[in-house]
Amino acid sequence: GQSLEQPSEVTAVEGAIVQINCTYQTSGFYGLSWYQQHDGGAPTFLSYNALDGLEETGRFSSFLSRSDSYGYLLLQELQMKDSASYFCAAGTGGGNKLTFGTGTQLKVEL
Amino acid sequence: NAGVTQTPKFQVLKTGQSMTLQCAQDMNHNSMYWYRQDPGMGLRLIYYSASEGTTDKGEVPNGYNVSRLNKREFSLRLESAAPSQTSVYFCASTASGRGYTFGSGTRLTVV
Repeated sequence: GQSLEQPSEVTAVEGAIVQINCTYQTSGFYGLSWYQQHDGGAPTFLSYNALDGLEETGRFSSFLSRSDSYGYLLLQELQMKDSASYFCAAGTGGGNKLTFGTGTQLKVEL
Repeated sequence: NAGVTQTPKFQVLKTGQSMTLQCAQDMNHNSMYWYRQDPGMGLRLIYYSASEGTTDKGEVPNGYNVSRLNKREFSLRLESAAPSQTSVYFCASTASGRGYTFGSGTRLTVV
């Protein structure tokens, strides 16, 4: 089966940097994605890594190591509006299927 | 662009009733998906359609059926609702598998 592990909660202060880790066990791995979801809202796409290395999109960066079955999302210059749940998701089936982790709730404090 | 539109946004059903959740996308995406989200369990794939004319089971298909009506529309049907199907249902679509666009969700309660 497919499984992704990520911490359930992370707390950080405004302006800080936080890293959310994700380890995965999947067959037919295609790539790793990250999604943000605010309470009561829909998941929104943040980042995607098909190859090893770092992808940067503004304040957010995502990293993938295929050999370690590991990735992380890095959020810099944290803002209160970044308080949300963050999900890693593994693409399989040639990219046709996406399996989600259980999510990390990020709390940003003053 | 509206993106992915789901109807209804809220629904209360009695056990044993049936209903269809509607989903439409206007981005010309090939692939469409139905997920359910329960507290503490992330999103679980119910069914998906990689392209028009095809549908496949996901992780939790029991109790559900789907129809890919055309390239734009992908519906999810509950034939006989059960309390275990109380959840938030999200429809999603993608062109390439790189990034999915989600609808705003349907909050379903089965009593």
